[in-house]
Amino acid sequence: DAGVIQSPRHEVTEMGQEVTLRCKPISGHDYLFWYRQTMMRGLELLIYFNNNVPIDDSGMPEDRFSAKMPNASFSTLKIQPSEPRDSAVYFCASSFGAGSNQPQHFGDGTRLSIL
Amino acid sequence: QQQVKQSPQSLIVQKGGISIINCAYENTAFDYFPWYQQFPGKGPALLIAIRPDVSEKKEGRFTISFNKSAKQFSLHIMDSQPGDSATYFCAASSGSARQLTFGSGTQLTVLP
Repeated sequence: DAGVIQSPRHEVTEMGQEVTLRCKPISGHDYLFWYRQTMMRGLELLIYFNNNVPIDDSGMPEDRFSAKMPNASFSTLKIQPSEPRDSAVYFCASSFGAGSNQPQHFGDGTRLSIL
Repeated sequence: QQQVKQSPQSLIVQKGGISIINCAYENTAFDYFPWYQQFPGKGPALLIAIRPDVSEKKEGRFTISFNKSAKQFSLHIMDSQPGDSATYFCAASSGSARQLTFGSGTQLTVLP
């Protein structure tokens, strides 16, 4: 079975540009999570969706960040305008069902570098 | 505010030795404690998890020990192998919130 698929794997762009990260969750999973990983702050949850609806976006750093999930098989995380401090690895994860013991399956991430 | 504290930051173990990574949490509402393993260039992958109603869970060479009163839990890797070299994250979550709060990670190196 295919796991969580993220694209692109690497993105290098200049400050001020718009960046769009993409995620395809595992088929049938009804929760989708976006995380950011940096050396300084570790793994941080940015936002998560349940049945395509955003549930908690309190981890989104500021208004430059936005996330959408137009359907059950696709989500985007957009940064506009991008800044060098946004450089990080961004992970998407998905899980099935309610309850805190449902494992989250992570994609391999997008390594974002803002010059 | 970091809610899950993990130590050590890095760990070097000889092949065949025991690797021990410790975590402590603050939020007593946490009711699920997974450990994730991450290899370079890959996303974290669930290794083993425990709920607070048991004090220990073992899966192969990996064991979680849980101390509810001390709000601490640890991962023990028995007979550590070079292939175990990775970064390990403890995490915690509670009920309906669904969010995982991760520790800062431990980079484990197992020498051949």
